[in-house]
Amino acid sequence: DGGITQSPKYLFRKEGQNVTLSCEQNLNHDAMYWYRQDPGQGLRLIYYSQIVNDFQKGDIAEGYSVSREKKESFPLTVTSAQKNPTAFYLCASTDYQGTNEKLFFGSGTQLSVL
Amino acid sequence: QKEVEQNSGPLSVPEGAIASLNCTYSDRGSQSFFWYRQYSGKSPELIMFIYSNGDKEDGRFTAQLNKASQYVSLLIRDSQPSDSATYLCAEEKTARQLTFGSGTQLTVLP
Repeated sequence: DGGITQSPKYLFRKEGQNVTLSCEQNLNHDAMYWYRQDPGQGLRLIYYSQIVNDFQKGDIAEGYSVSREKKESFPLTVTSAQKNPTAFYLCASTDYQGTNEKLFFGSGTQLSVL
Repeated sequence: QKEVEQNSGPLSVPEGAIASLNCTYSDRGSQSFFWYRQYSGKSPELIMFIYSNGDKEDGRFTAQLNKASQYVSLLIRDSQPSDSATYLCAEEKTARQLTFGSGTQLTVLP
């Protein structure tokens, strides 16, 4: 079945540690996104990528980094510079037509700080 | 002012009633709007999208857009307990980028 796979489902970070969240899609989508969701809040855009080897900062990129070496993969690294990383992280993708009605979400990763 | 504002609720309605969820937006240039349903701990799923002024119906759901007043709403007819979730309103800022509201928590009471 086609879809977006995020892993791990739960992740714990120690002080000063970088952690990487995985996002893989087999939908052949060009555009991929990372969103952060805090309790009782909507989704905020961290980074997005419209094509391989290219990505753009979203509204809250500070303390995060991404790469897009393959079309299928868009990993997110939460660096030690992100002082409040506890949140629910969602990866999403859509096709080149840019139609948001075809935006697919992964199942999310809950990141907590130890 | 937030770009997309929603009443956080919680909104409670009895089973079988109509649930009305509202959203206002600040950018007059926004063209497209989306309603997502999100169960606790799960990812959002698209319920409806609307581009044109007026109503759009899909089963028990009706989206309404009023660009002059800058609001978009979602009506859920014959509400069921399974409709209990958080409903997120989103506007399309630019192609392929959405700005989300903070969501309205809906509870349908059996």
